[in-house]
Amino acid sequence: DIQMTQSPSSLSASVGDRVTITCRASQSISSFLNWYQQKPGKAPKLLIYAAFTLQSGVPSRFSGSGSGPDFTLTISSLQPEDFATYYCQQTYDSLWTFGQGTKVEIK
Amino acid sequence: QVQLQESGPGLVKPSETLSLTCTLSGGSISSYYWSWIRQPPGKELEWLGYIYYTGSTNYNPSLKSRATISVDTSKNHFSLLLSSVTAADTAVYYCARNVPRSTVFGVVYAFDIWGQGTMVTVSS
Repeated sequence: DIQMTQSPSSLSASVGDRVTITCRASQSISSFLNWYQQKPGKAPKLLIYAAFTLQSGVPSRFSGSGSGPDFTLTISSLQPEDFATYYCQQTYDSLWTFGQGTKVEIK
Repeated sequence: QVQLQESGPGLVKPSETLSLTCTLSGGSISSYYWSWIRQPPGKELEWLGYIYYTGSTNYNPSLKSRATISVDTSKNHFSLLLSSVTAADTAVYYCARNVPRSTVFGVVYAFDIWGQGTMVTVSS
């Protein structure tokens, strides 16, 4: 299995802050990496696919970068509706796996 | 607007079989791939498997062959059977659409549409 490790597990930030979440794969996964946002009691929502491509309708303050084993999700200016848990996911091999999640909380 | 809706019992006894159905509205199930994903309370997401509308499947080996995913194109739905359940199978179960997208480095799959999720508790 390809293990996905996110850091940090949680962070506190203020509205307007720039936030960066990292995701590391246990082996190279090229750019087969997606990011999701999940709010309490709701299904996850696709933000970014293929490491850096913004899903239609997602605000441009979200961006993704990286390749190989290391990836980053950046929120350029945190908004109140962005407080949520974020997950990375790889689809490089036939067993798709998620990271453990990063919870973004209000400072 | 394409929507997915899970349905099935919210309570299953240990050693029995969990059965869930995901119904698609606003589109046809006869394209794309369709997945089941679960999330135990307070824990991370776990992909269980997917089915293509033709019936080809791919499963997470961690389920040790307990899972079966099937599709009924006439009813525009797909289903999950999970046998020999234990308390460890207690989770919110989601269905989702996998969309393949061509990129410069290959075909990338992502879950772009999700059902609202259904909580399944395994308990006697």
